[in-house]
Amino acid sequence: GAVVSQHPSWVICKSGTSVKIECRSLDFQATTMFWYRQFPKQSLMLMATSNEGSKATYEQGVEKDKFLINHASLTLSTLTVTSAHPEDSSFYICSAQEVKNRGDEQFFGPGTRLTVL
Amino acid sequence: QKEVEQNSGPLSVPEGAIASLNCTYSDRGSQSFFWYRQYSGKSPELIMFIYSNGDKEDGRFTAQLNKASQYVSLLIRDSQPSDSATYLCAVNVSGGFKTIFGAGTRLFVKA
Repeated sequence: GAVVSQHPSWVICKSGTSVKIECRSLDFQATTMFWYRQFPKQSLMLMATSNEGSKATYEQGVEKDKFLINHASLTLSTLTVTSAHPEDSSFYICSAQEVKNRGDEQFFGPGTRLTVL
Repeated sequence: QKEVEQNSGPLSVPEGAIASLNCTYSDRGSQSFFWYRQYSGKSPELIMFIYSNGDKEDGRFTAQLNKASQYVSLLIRDSQPSDSATYLCAVNVSGGFKTIFGAGTRLFVKA
């Protein structure tokens, strides 16, 4: 149980284009999903927290107009990187949280490797 | 600023030895604590969680929590080369569902 998928697993795009990444919880309902970014040999950096049916909460320094997050259902959140540039190339990872009792573990998707040329 | 601190390592242990990974946190009200393992180029996977003071054992892994000292650790017994990875300590911030991750400790298990 507690499986989270991401699609695509990798993407290469031209500078200036937009890229959408999907995160799905396959066997549970996730009221909260998180989006992280990780550069090589660095730690996870939380970008935003996404709650179903409401606006995402962005971390300081993360541009909400550049990284559009939509959490339309209890099993799907999407991250759209708009007008991507080479400096946006990174490993993007989502996680989902199934809220039950005090169970607040995050289950991670496999990640999406974005390369912007 | 609520923080989670880990020694970045690398921590190198011989195969079969016990690997000890440590983590301290600043939010005294934190109630939930997690250890994740991340292989290079992969996303983190949950190894253990612990909520109460003391030890929690799962196979070769033991998590230890001391809330008074704001300290959580992970012991890996009979370390194997396949345990070589980065281990992330994560702490749930009190009063919400936000989790703060440490920067991770790189572990190398030498065959």
